[in-house]
Amino acid sequence: DTGVSQDPRHKITKRGQNVTFRCDPISEHNRLYWYRQTLGQGPEFLTYFQNEAQLEKSRLLSDRFSAERPKGSFSTLEIQRTEQGDSAMYLCASSSTGTSSYNEQFFGPGTRLTVL
Amino acid sequence: SQQGEEDPQALSIQEGENATMNCSYKTSINNLQWYRQNSGRGLVHLILIRSNEREKHSGRLRVTLDTSKKSSSLLITASRAADTASYFCGGSNYKLTFGKGTLLTVNP
Repeated sequence: DTGVSQDPRHKITKRGQNVTFRCDPISEHNRLYWYRQTLGQGPEFLTYFQNEAQLEKSRLLSDRFSAERPKGSFSTLEIQRTEQGDSAMYLCASSSTGTSSYNEQFFGPGTRLTVL
Repeated sequence: SQQGEEDPQALSIQEGENATMNCSYKTSINNLQWYRQNSGRGLVHLILIRSNEREKHSGRLRVTLDTSKKSSSLLITASRAADTASYFCGGSNYKLTFGKGTLLTVNP
């Protein structure tokens, strides 16, 4: 399967714990995005990378959140000191900025986080 | 905050009927992308329409874009029960900005 993959698919944690999610984009895609989706809402942008550079962070991304893409391939999203309000589906997407691309974003299956 | 709005919020039709969903957005975009999401799953990319295009087709899907009204529509023809899902439009310059989606139910 050459699509976007995310791991884990589900995570249940207790309030105050740290969690880390991983995203592996489509291999030739240089852009990688993180979104968060709560029940009944559309996805909301969190941050994105072009290669290894983090180019934008949403105000939704508090200082408890950090994302990395160290080698311009996979990315991790870490949430420290989780709160119940962090419970959501975390979606990763990737795209290409090649000349024949129009930045179509392809999403992974998501990681569903439940904070107890 | 989300800037897109899909209309209607929910739509229920019979198999074989056509389904039309509308989307409005607030800021200028380079393109608009439509996605389908089954319950609890990731988003599946359906179609992208560029800002200089007015209409695009893909199989049973027809998308229109009116940049003067900042709106788009998605038409699914000859719907099937398997089309039951939530549908989202995302306006894009680089990041996508979504609305709350349209929940489509196709009854067999």
